Amino acid sequence: SSELTQDPAVSVALGQTVRITCQGDSLRSYYGSWYQQKPGQAPVLVIYGKNSRPSGIPDRFSGSSSGNTASLTITGAQAEDEADYYCLSRDSSGYHYVFGGGTTVTVL
Amino acid sequence: EVQLVESGGGLVQPGGSLRLSCAASGFTFDDYAMHWVRQSPGKGLEWVSSISWNSGNIEYADSVKGRFTISRDNAKNSLFMQMHSLRAEDTALYYCAKDTGISVAGTRGTLDYWGQGTLVTVSS
Repeated sequence: SSELTQDPAVSVALGQTVRITCQGDSLRSYYGSWYQQKPGQAPVLVIYGKNSRPSGIPDRFSGSSSGNTASLTITGAQAEDEADYYCLSRDSSGYHYVFGGGTTVTVL
Repeated sequence: EVQLVESGGGLVQPGGSLRLSCAASGFTFDDYAMHWVRQSPGKGLEWVSSISWNSGNIEYADSVKGRFTISRDNAKNSLFMQMHSLRAEDTALYYCAKDTGISVAGTRGTLDYWGQGTLVTVSS
């Protein structure tokens, strides 16, 4: 089992806003990073640090953190945003990295 | 352009060994920590191991500790994973990934580039 907990699936209407959360004690000490993975493709970094986007990632992706919860928000979801999203941070011991279980985002 | 190309995967019997390689290009390899991440068929991402820029800090997931050894050759811009005592549950697509930082100790991990993966199948 993962020490970072994500909802398994969420859906969002085209053009609407969806927030994906990642919960874990380590998130009180470490910012998480977020990865998008489409079927048959390698993961892609979308958000890191407090709220930073790599070049090429649309600004409809944003991140935030509060207490033990990190969040990834897609504002104005597009069809191409349909994918699995994973958070990454440290486990509670701080000695290992850990991914959340992943959230499948469906754009309706 | 950053490129990470994994190789070395294949079919191996339980208890066998395999050595994965990751050839890096397009960046100064010895300026960055590197990671191995795996994904079993139909499952989520699982962090496997990480190594700092100079191999001074190395970390392993409990599921592979004592069986897998990560290493790097900065002169050859290459990352490796030696895997022994392979089990059916090690069957996965293994990704090589670059960190944005130089170290792994005490860092949150930010993996900004990933390879396409190499498939390891452990089966008799």
